[in-house]
Amino acid sequence: EVQLLESGGAWEQPGGSLRLSCATSGFIFRSYAMSWVRQAPGKGLEWVSTISGSGVKADYADSVKGRFTVSRDNSKSALYLQMDSLRAEDTAVYYCAKVSSGYDPTDFWGQGTLVTVSP
Amino acid sequence: DIQMTQSPSSLSASVGDRVTITCRASQSISSYLNWYQQKPGKAPRLLIYAASSLQSGVPSRFSGSGSGTDFTLTISSLQLEDFATYYCLQTYISPRITFGQGTRLEI
Repeated sequence: EVQLLESGGAWEQPGGSLRLSCATSGFIFRSYAMSWVRQAPGKGLEWVSTISGSGVKADYADSVKGRFTVSRDNSKSALYLQMDSLRAEDTAVYYCAKVSSGYDPTDFWGQGTLVTVSP
Repeated sequence: DIQMTQSPSSLSASVGDRVTITCRASQSISSYLNWYQQKPGKAPRLLIYAASSLQSGVPSRFSGSGSGTDFTLTISSLQLEDFATYYCLQTYISPRITFGQGTRLEI
């Protein structure tokens, strides 16, 4: 059974930092690019970042570029998101996900972890 | 980035109704289009991938069509458990994927 479990969500002040983790099991983690997707309260889904299976290549939404860093540890089947210089608009549930692309139906999502940025 | 525009933003319907949600891309995305269902407090659930392929385990009342810039999700006969929010997602420009703004389906 595929499982993705995020952790690390918390309340943080503007300008602060948080590190999210995503522990995975049940699939060949190193074979897949992995993403972070967020959802602000009452709002829609927003792609945040994706990292390649090897961890060599990463990409970011313009809204977080230069502030967030995605990484992975394939030996631990774990995904991370380092969030620095946090802003109020970063408040959201953050999902760890392997998103289906093209004709590959493989699609896994965690349950999400809440990040609140507020004075 | 590619913009995805869903319509309508919200929709009221009844059990047994046939419902169609549309998604338009700002440029051609071939068939790189997914549809998701999301219920409150839950992660999105993949319904349709590659515009028209039904994900395993998804009821056959869900179907998707379209290519290029215009896509539709159809629910042939609404069930109570289908009342949720639906999102389209383009994966043509991967990894810079973009979601539609969502369609809330209400009773």
